[in-house]
Amino acid sequence: AQSVTQLGSHVSVSEGALVLLRCNYSSSVPPYLFWYVQYPNQGLQLLLKYTTGATLVKGINGFEAEFKKSETSFHLTKPSAHMSDAAEYFCAVRGSGGYNKLIFGAGTRLAVHP
Amino acid sequence: DGGITQSPKYLFRKEGQNVTLSCEQNLNHDAMYWYRQDPGQGLRLIYYSQIVNDFQKGDIAEGYSVSREKKESFPLTVTSAQKNPTAFYLCASSIGGQGSNEQFFGPGTRLTVL
Repeated sequence: AQSVTQLGSHVSVSEGALVLLRCNYSSSVPPYLFWYVQYPNQGLQLLLKYTTGATLVKGINGFEAEFKKSETSFHLTKPSAHMSDAAEYFCAVRGSGGYNKLIFGAGTRLAVHP
Repeated sequence: DGGITQSPKYLFRKEGQNVTLSCEQNLNHDAMYWYRQDPGQGLRLIYYSQIVNDFQKGDIAEGYSVSREKKESFPLTVTSAQKNPTAFYLCASSIGGQGSNEQFFGPGTRLTVL
């Protein structure tokens, strides 16, 4: 069965510091992996996704993630945090069963302080 | 502008009442989904539909019902059988129900049971 673990329900960084949000997954099929961002009381917006090919994936707003099969990880990074990055971030993996089901992690809330 | 709309944004219900949440998309997507979001639990799949007039239960379908009479519409009814309906409900859609297609999310409806 597929599952996603996000290490750290809350992460706090200073403006300009590196952002690192951790995601580990388990999957019985080749994984398709996604990172979404959610601002308060809004829906989710796709940041980036990995399907096949290049393991370093670049997304919107300066975020990127690297797929590491040996570590079953898909950590999200951004070199320099902005105040506007404060939000909740969700990692997701495609489920099995022949349809486009997503299995979500519990989320990591990112705080950015001046 | 193409996108997904959900209405209402906030909804209050008395115990024992059924309530219907609206979800409409003009993206010409075949697949649509309903998720429930609770603090610290990520998103959980309630129902999904890969095509008009067809839908399947997700992980937490008890106490909910859906219909898919039109491609662009996928309303969710929260029935009185749902024991703890207070939550944030998110509707999503994707081009197809297979593979790596990302899901696009609506802005959500926050349901509170009084």
